[in-house]
Amino acid sequence: QVQLVQSGAEVKKPGSSVKVSCKASGGTFSDYGFSWVRQAPGQGLEWMGGFIPIFDTATYAQSFQGRVTITADGSTNTVYMDLTSLTSEDTAMYYCAVTSGSGFAFWGQGTLVSVSS
Amino acid sequence: DIVMTQSPDSLAVSLGERATIKCKSSQSVLYTSNRKNYLAWYQQKLGQPPKLLIYWASIRESGVPDRFNGSGSGTDFTLTISSLQAEDVAVYYCQQYYSAPTYSFGQGTKLQIK
Repeated sequence: QVQLVQSGAEVKKPGSSVKVSCKASGGTFSDYGFSWVRQAPGQGLEWMGGFIPIFDTATYAQSFQGRVTITADGSTNTVYMDLTSLTSEDTAMYYCAVTSGSGFAFWGQGTLVSVSS
Repeated sequence: DIVMTQSPDSLAVSLGERATIKCKSSQSVLYTSNRKNYLAWYQQKLGQPPKLLIYWASIRESGVPDRFNGSGSGTDFTLTISSLQAEDVAVYYCQQYYSAPTYSFGQGTKLQIK
């Protein structure tokens, strides 16, 4: 059973950046792939990108290419999502999730990012 | 990119009745080498993160009640709740992981009590 604990809510200005963390426990970090999923208010789930620790590689959705960077620190079992050039349309709940190859079995509690001038 | 399309967008069903949600992928998510469909279903209740219900199109996650059933193959899939309970009110999403490490979700189906 993997537990994912995300960092707290953020309030940001347009044009700035945000970095959200996701700390994993209860499993072997390198056994999994990690993803970030965004959910705007009242909207559906949108996959942003992911990181596979065993390959040390990140993959991004086309719609976020160039604006999102996903990294990991194996020494602390933490994955990070950095989103730049924020606009009001980035106001959303951001979730991290873990997969072992058959769906996203474990999810973090979510981090609310609000972008407002 | 594989596009996932669900129908309907919303659904109201009486308690104890059957609820059926469809999901269609823009290309097959069936791997012919292992005969597995790379398709999952999630339930998201208000104010909570999504919860994995079904993977490989038809395998229930541990602890998921047996009134939840997934079926289908290739490009067409169905989530059926055989006898709707009040606690099943939620938004349901399908997801393909055929193109892992990239993924995509359907737009969601909101299920309510009639």
